[in-house]
Amino acid sequence: DAGVIQSPRHEVTEMGQEVTLRCKPISGHDYLFWYRQTMMRGLELLIYFNNNVPIDDSGMPEDRFSAKMPNASFSTLKIQPSEPRDSAVYFCASSLDRAGYTFGSGTRLTVV
Amino acid sequence: KQEVTQIPAALSVPEGENLVLNCSFTDSAIYNLQWFRQDPGKGLTSLLLIQSSQREQTSGRLNASLDKSSGRSTLYIAASQPGDSATYLCAVNKWAGSYQLTFGKGTKLSVIP
Repeated sequence: DAGVIQSPRHEVTEMGQEVTLRCKPISGHDYLFWYRQTMMRGLELLIYFNNNVPIDDSGMPEDRFSAKMPNASFSTLKIQPSEPRDSAVYFCASSLDRAGYTFGSGTRLTVV
Repeated sequence: KQEVTQIPAALSVPEGENLVLNCSFTDSAIYNLQWFRQDPGKGLTSLLLIQSSQREQTSGRLNASLDKSSGRSTLYIAASQPGDSATYLCAVNKWAGSYQLTFGKGTKLSVIP
């Protein structure tokens, strides 16, 4: 398996623009997580899905953030409109019933 | 609310030394604990996973222990090498409720040749 695949690796956008981050989990994994990493706050969970259904989105900072998982092999995290304080590294991870978590390489987002 | 603390925040050792990284957590009701490695600008690589019923796990030069009752885990690295230089993060998974991992801020390890 190629692991958890995220795209793009880097994204630079202007404030106010829409940003879409993508994730392909490991085949067969039933949990998918979106995390955000910043120097100040470390790694924080934004949202997670179980069998494509959002279970806990309490970490989503505000309504500008939304996430979808239309099928077992694809998820998106969208920010609209983007703001400079959204600049961070966004990680996707997947797991098979909590038997260890596998992380993607992350998307480094810079909002100018 | 679960809190995970890693001390020290940074550690520098000469090559060949054995070292221990510490992780403590406030809520002992955990399902498992996982140690990760993160290289600069990279993602997280899983090193070891310890279930709540286990006391330790070993992989090569790495050994992780878990003392759930005291809320502590250690990662022991034997015969350190410059290639071990990275940030090491521990994360705990709650026993019940949300399946999220709660991470410590990490220990940045530098192994000096």
